[in-house]
Amino acid sequence: EPEVTQTPSHQVTQMGQEVILRCVPISNHLYFYWYRQILGQKVEFLVSFYNNEISEKSEIFDDQFSVERPDGSNFTLKIRSTKLEDSAMYFCASSGTGGTDSPLHFGNGTRLTVT
Amino acid sequence: GESVGLHLPTLSVQEGDNSIINCAYSNSASDYFIWYKQESGKGPQFIIDIRSNMDKRQGQRVTVLLNKTVKHLSLQIAATQPGDSAVYFCAENYSGAGSYQLTFGKGTKLSVIP
Repeated sequence: EPEVTQTPSHQVTQMGQEVILRCVPISNHLYFYWYRQILGQKVEFLVSFYNNEISEKSEIFDDQFSVERPDGSNFTLKIRSTKLEDSAMYFCASSGTGGTDSPLHFGNGTRLTVT
Repeated sequence: GESVGLHLPTLSVQEGDNSIINCAYSNSASDYFIWYKQESGKGPQFIIDIRSNMDKRQGQRVTVLLNKTVKHLSLQIAATQPGDSAVYFCAENYSGAGSYQLTFGKGTKLSVIP
């Protein structure tokens, strides 16, 4: 069964550094998402992406964050100048369409630790 | 201030029994609901979904019930197995907003006793 893959599985960085989290969505999917989950808390929406542009973003997704689809297979989340509170699991997801006839499929996440 | 972590509700079930996990959703305009299963160290895994024009939907060993009047969703797992042990999240979406932004619930931890 096709799956969303994320790398690395764990990223440790120092406060103020930039990190790039990488995702390979399911190949025929058109919509891409980033969610995050702070330890012990709910999964929270960050951003959705379609047709090479952001469709929607949450309040969490401020100027510190950016997304990119640099080629036909990868989808990245960049966090500039990381803060301690950015420590969380970051999940990439994809769906075939933007509608409810195609559920989101999540990767196994990247655990980001900011020290 | 420092965020307080959630204390997940926990459901302990004997292997072979049926499990019922409940969820109260927040937006009365939500029209699409999904149950996800999250095992330790993994991402949310799709289990079953239901649209608001339905009250019940069945899958393999799972049934989702939707009560829009009281904004309540439940997941029933028949003949619960040890592999069902995980955290279960309900998620809602309002498609009328033109987005596919899921709002997740707090989660329930299911522990299956062999």
